[in-house]
Amino acid sequence: GDSVTQMEGPVTLSEEAFLTINCTYTATGYPSLFWYVQYPGEGLQLLLKATKADDKGSNKGFEATYRKETTSFHLEKGSVQVSDSAVYFCALSNTGGFKTIFGAGTRLFVKA
Amino acid sequence: DADVTQTPRNRITKTGKRIMLECSQTKGHDRMYWYRQDPGLGLRLIYYSFDVKDINKGEISDGYSVSRQAQAKFSLSLESAIPNQTALYFCATSDPTSGAVNEQFFGPGTRLTVL
Repeated sequence: GDSVTQMEGPVTLSEEAFLTINCTYTATGYPSLFWYVQYPGEGLQLLLKATKADDKGSNKGFEATYRKETTSFHLEKGSVQVSDSAVYFCALSNTGGFKTIFGAGTRLFVKA
Repeated sequence: DADVTQTPRNRITKTGKRIMLECSQTKGHDRMYWYRQDPGLGLRLIYYSFDVKDINKGEISDGYSVSRQAQAKFSLSLESAIPNQTALYFCATSDPTSGAVNEQFFGPGTRLTVL
């Protein structure tokens, strides 16, 4: 079945460091791919998305490119801030669009 | 005002008790979902509903039941709570008319502890 694998955390970075959180997926067809973010005490919210191969999703300085050849959707940010500390979830939605599969989540800590 | 609300936000109960978690939404979405979140396991789907008359089991529905009282309301029940149901529970909605992309909108979560 469909699945999402993302790097284990926690990831601890200093402010202004470069961030990469790896995500790979297994799916039939052509899924849509997402990154969701969960700030402390809150629900998940969509950070960015990509719906087809080579699409780049971007938001708030974060980017991820849908790579079908490597089945990956790595999250990157050039300069993290303390306010980026959160849990990040990679996810896919199957071609039918009615179910979403989430990765286990990666906790990010950013130190001032 | 939040588009997806959940009550209660926190609940401590004892083994064997019946518990109901409630979810309401003002987004006008037909699709609603219940997930549980456990450390290291991400989110797992418990039940989902495409409209008031269409309810489906997710991957971990055992020990849970749901009720879709209206388009805007979707409740999750634990008929007889057990300690391994201690988790963070999220309600979510999505809009099928948005096309193939199934963006989900989450409530703030309910933290349930079963002693």
